[in-house]
Amino acid sequence: GENVEQHPSTLSVQEGDSAVIKCTYSDSASNYFPWYKQELGKGPQLIIDIRSNVGEKKDQRIAVTLNKTAKHFSLHITETQPEDSAVYFCAANRQAGTALIFGKGTTLSVSS
Amino acid sequence: DTAVSQTPKYLVTQMGNDKSIKCEQNLGHDTMYWYKQDSKKFLKIMFSYNNKELIINETVPNRFSPKSPDKAHLNLHINSLELGDSAVYFCASSQGMGVRNQPQHFGDGTRLSIL
Repeated sequence: GENVEQHPSTLSVQEGDSAVIKCTYSDSASNYFPWYKQELGKGPQLIIDIRSNVGEKKDQRIAVTLNKTAKHFSLHITETQPEDSAVYFCAANRQAGTALIFGKGTTLSVSS
Repeated sequence: DTAVSQTPKYLVTQMGNDKSIKCEQNLGHDTMYWYKQDSKKFLKIMFSYNNKELIINETVPNRFSPKSPDKAHLNLHINSLELGDSAVYFCASSQGMGVRNQPQHFGDGTRLSIL
């Protein structure tokens, strides 16, 4: 089955710096890669996603890149702010309506 | 309006008891899921339903029984609770089973603590 590895497990940056979180997946049939942000006491919230027919997607300060050949994808957050502090999860999915396979999460801390 | 709502938010109970968690979504989605998040924050699928039909059952003990009375609701009943069942349980929904993957939307979780 699919296995998703996520690194780093913790990341501390200064406000205004960029943050990068990387994930690799094992199943070449996976074709959908969402990123979720989880704040304390809340459920995971989708922040951006990318499909396998696209190499990069951007939404304001957040961007995701996908390398299908290498089977890895990354989340880039620019101009980080304290409110970006949270746990971020990457996930992979091969078919609509099936389970998301999650990475183990990255705790991002942005200090002002 | 809350898109995916779970009740209760907190559940503290004794080992051996039976408890239920309820989930409702108002997004018009046809697929719903239960995920379990352990103390290390790892999220793992337990069940999924599409239009009230069980699609995924991921090696979860028989003590866990999901029920979907209609496509907007997915409840989780747990019998004979054990210490290891302590976790956060998340309900999610998506417009699934089509060709194109759609985002899954999560509720805020039910924090289950077994004493």
